[in-house]
Amino acid sequence: DIQLTQSPSSLSASVGDRVTITCRASQSIATILHWYQQRPGTPPKLLIHSASSLQSGVPSRFSASGSGTEFTLTISGLQPEDFATYYCQQTYKIPRTFGQGTKLEI
Amino acid sequence: EVLLVESGGGLIQPGGSLTLSCAASGFTFSNFDMHWVRQTAGRSLEWVSAIGTGGDSYYPDSVKGRFTVSRDNAKDSLYLQMTSLRAVDTALYYCVREGPNWEFDSWGQGILVTVSS
Repeated sequence: DIQLTQSPSSLSASVGDRVTITCRASQSIATILHWYQQRPGTPPKLLIHSASSLQSGVPSRFSASGSGTEFTLTISGLQPEDFATYYCQQTYKIPRTFGQGTKLEI
Repeated sequence: EVLLVESGGGLIQPGGSLTLSCAASGFTFSNFDMHWVRQTAGRSLEWVSAIGTGGDSYYPDSVKGRFTVSRDNAKDSLYLQMTSLRAVDTALYYCVREGPNWEFDSWGQGILVTVSS
């Protein structure tokens, strides 16, 4: 199975800050890597697909990059609604796997 | 608007069986691969099953042989039959649509399954 390791596991930041979350895959997954945001009590929401493509309706302060085994999600100019947990996911191989999550706290 | 509504969850004893349903609307259900994903309290997300548009199905080792995913395109519905349930299967189960780039682009609100005596 492909393991995805996110770092950090938790992160404290302030409104207006720029933060970066990293996701490392245990083997190459090309660019078949997606990012999700989950607020408490709600299902995950797709932010980025295919490593760097912004999902329709997602604010442009979210950006992502990477290929192979290393990927990053960056949020520029944090807004109050961005404080949530972020997950990466690979759909390159079965079983589909998720990272363990990064909790972004105020 | 894409809508996925899960039902059928609840409290079940270890070793028991339960079938989850997902009613889909707002899109042509038969054209999309569908998945079940679960989330346990305080833990990450775990992919549970997938079913293609042609009915081909896939599972992780943790549920293979115990869970069966199926779909009824005439009813725009997805199902997950779960047998030999264990305490570790306790989770919130989400019905999920797969998008054109293999991303999980739409999620239901989730349904809780609790396996306990």
